[in-house]
Amino acid sequence: DAGITQSPRHKVTETGTPVTLRCHQTENHRYMYWYRQDPGHGLRLIHYSYGVKDTDKGEVSDGYSVSRSKTEDFLLTLESATSSQTSVYFCAISDGRGGSGNTIYFGEGSWLTVV
Amino acid sequence: TQLLEQSPQFLSIQEGENLTVYCNSSSVFSSLQWYRQEPGEGPVLLVTVVTGGEVKKLKRLTFQFGDARKDSSLHITAAQPGDTGLYLCAGGSGGSNYKLTFGKGTLLTVNP
Repeated sequence: DAGITQSPRHKVTETGTPVTLRCHQTENHRYMYWYRQDPGHGLRLIHYSYGVKDTDKGEVSDGYSVSRSKTEDFLLTLESATSSQTSVYFCAISDGRGGSGNTIYFGEGSWLTVV
Repeated sequence: TQLLEQSPQFLSIQEGENLTVYCNSSSVFSSLQWYRQEPGEGPVLLVTVVTGGEVKKLKRLTFQFGDARKDSSLHITAAQPGDTGLYLCAGGSGGSNYKLTFGKGTLLTVNP
């Protein structure tokens, strides 16, 4: 199994509070991603990083920010949580070699409930 | 925005039956990947196909990439209860394939 640790694994928070999810990898992979998974929508990319301090938006980035100060850590922050951000959040990593296809390894997920 | 449509969305079959799951798009992808996800876990890669018309087999699973690289199929022969799970297709775009677009998934239940 790829060395990906997400924390917290489960969290309940109130509307309007800030929340930070952490992803830690031990694989030294260049690329890191945050996805959210919702019924009827599948997996949607929130933000991704292609190196330390290099990040870009995905398809559902509104209301989220990210930071990557070290290769191994990628943080996802909800500045002011809303009920629509109740979801399962997956961190993923990749070495980005391309060519025959980029294998993306997923973490075990973080369940976030905003009440 | 590139979209991937998976069908069927839900599939419930008896052990021993065969099934096919489809993944279609109007866009061309440089690669197509299939993942399987079990409850409470993250998706796990099953296979990557990159050449139009490519066929790959993984035990009882057969994956095919369409000639135009816009569609793919997953065929399972003699399904077993252990095949139960959410099957996701994902298309890679860009030279490095570093971003994937996912379909919404097919939830397969194989009943003993």
